[in-house]
Amino acid sequence: AQTVTQSQPEMSVQEAETVTLSCTYDTSESDYYLFWYKQPPSRQMILVIRQEAYKQQNATENRFSVNFQKAAKSFSLKISDSQLGDAAMYFCAYRSDTGNQFYFGTGTSLTVIP
Amino acid sequence: ETGVTQTPRHLVMGMTNKKSLKCEQHLGHNAMYWYKQSAKKPLELMFVYSLEERVENNSVPSRFSPECPNSSHLFLHLHTLQPEDSALYLCASSLRSWGLASNEQFFGPGTRLTVL
Repeated sequence: AQTVTQSQPEMSVQEAETVTLSCTYDTSESDYYLFWYKQPPSRQMILVIRQEAYKQQNATENRFSVNFQKAAKSFSLKISDSQLGDAAMYFCAYRSDTGNQFYFGTGTSLTVIP
Repeated sequence: ETGVTQTPRHLVMGMTNKKSLKCEQHLGHNAMYWYKQSAKKPLELMFVYSLEERVENNSVPSRFSPECPNSSHLFLHLHTLQPEDSALYLCASSLRSWGLASNEQFFGPGTRLTVL
């Protein structure tokens, strides 16, 4: 089974600064999808950004961007101009191109310091 | 209401009780999911339903029994649970359970379950 590893249980960032959350994964597949989900204290998880493995270009959504290194099996999330509302648990997830399985990491708790 | 809703939001039950968790989605999706979220552990996928048929069961103990009467509703029936089953149970839905349309899952707020 695929595994997703988030090695930073907790991170903090000053408001307006930039922070990078790391994620690595293990797979033997060539086609797959990667995601970052955000779970604020209210607990409703929402999709932040996704990346298709066949695309070389890194995905970007406003202040959120990823650094996808396929050979290294690395998928980090960069949050620019951090805002207080960015404080949440962030989960990295993997899905194969086939099948129904999603694999999640253990999450990184991000604190934004005013 | 819009999105994915779950009831109840909190549930405390004894090991001999029978209870049910309910999930409802108002997004016109055809796939629904149950996840278990425990502290310091990865989110665990429990069940996947596609068009009311179960397409995935990740070796979940039989004390958890899912039911999907239609594409908008998903239940998780609980009986004779153990204290280690205490967790946040999340429901999610997506347009389909396969292909690109499965890539965006919309999550409910979860039910915090405590088993005494």
